[in-house]
Parts: sequence; C-alpha cells; structure tokens
Amino acid sequence: EAQVTQNPRYLITVTGKKLTVTCSQNMNHEYMSWYRQDPGLGLRQIYYSMNVEVTDKGDVPEGYKVSRKEKRNFPLILESPSPNQTSLYFCASSLYGSVDYEQYFGPGTRLTVT
Amino acid sequence: RKEVEQDPGPFNVPEGATVAFNCTYSNSASQSFFWYRQDCRKEPKLLMSVYSSGNEDGRFTAQLNRASQYISLLIRDSKLSDSATYLCVVIRGSQGNLIFGKGTKLSVKP
Repeated sequence: EAQVTQNPRYLITVTGKKLTVTCSQNMNHEYMSWYRQDPGLGLRQIYYSMNVEVTDKGDVPEGYKVSRKEKRNFPLILESPSPNQTSLYFCASSLYGSVDYEQYFGPGTRLTVT
Repeated sequence: RKEVEQDPGPFNVPEGATVAFNCTYSNSASQSFFWYRQDCRKEPKLLMSVYSSGNEDGRFTAQLNRASQYISLLIRDSKLSDSATYLCVVIRGSQGNLIFGKGTKLSVKP
C-alpha cells in the first residue's frame, strides 16, 4: 500500500531533550516536506527537500533540522525542544515534476513539550 | 496582507445546499493552486487542483481568477460527509514552497 508513515504518532517530552520524528514513504517520491499545524495558524511549512541531499527552509525552520540521505526517509530533528514547539506535525511527499504536486500526508505526530 | 487568505467560516449549511468558498493570494507569480480537505485530527488530502480554465469534479467546481488573484470552490448538493475543513494551497515560485490558508470549516446539517 502506497503510504507515508510517521513515528511516533504521539510524544510527550521535556524541554531540551533531543528528539527525532521519522518519516518514510514507499512511493519513490522525490519531494518531501514537514509541516506543523497550530490552532489559528493553519499548516506552516518547516523544511522541504526536492531530492536526496537537497533541503531548503520553509516558513518556520527555526529550532528544527532535517536530513535527506535516502530518497524514502526525511527525519525531523528537534535538537533542544521548547514548549512553543508543541504542535501537530505532518510529513508529506509528492512526485516533483508533476504539475499537480499532490501532497500525500502522513497521519501526523502530536508532540507536547513540557 | 497574508499570502493566502480564506473565508473565516464556519459555514453551517443544510443538506442539499450549495456553498462557495473563496481564497485570495498575494503573490502574483504563484502558478499552482489546490484545494485540500482535512477531517478533524486527520491528515489533509487533495480534493482537487485548480486550473486556469476552471475544473469540475462531480459536485465540486474550482475556479481561478488570476486578475483578481483568487480561487474559489463551489460545492453543490452538500452531503453530511462534506463536513470538513477546506484548505486553499498555493505553490510559491518554482521551488516547491507550499503555502496553506488557515482553512474554512464546513458543517453540513441534516
């Protein structure tokens, strides 16, 4: 089944404790991205990657890191999480080059930083 | 002015009603436009792309007005299952930077 998976789905952590949220897709998509969704602010893009070893900042990259060493994986790293990073995070992928750019989203990761 | 703005909603309509959502964008260089649907606490899913000539998919019609920089979504004969939040999405430039509107919530009542 074609899908985007994220792990963990739920995470409660403390300020300053490094964490990684994994994202993996099995559709051979070139493009992957991370979003956070907050009430009243909608979905905002954190980072995106056009292909392996190519990453770019979205609109809210501060406090996050990403890497794209393999086509299928795009982990999101929070080196020192803070409470303002409490949010619902979505990973997405798409077949870049398609005019439709349909984004296939993962199920989301709900992160709480205390 | 925000880069992508949508009707604030919520829209509460009876079954069978026709409802329209608008979305305005500020970057005239934007080339690609979409409507996504998001059910409560779920991931967004593509509803339809928006083409310059307008496009229709069953009960859904999307239109683009480049001169006025807005896109619209029309839903005819609303169903209970149409209840969701509808997100307007614009591609900024050619680098794949997606900008989402905050969404418009639709609630269809029996």
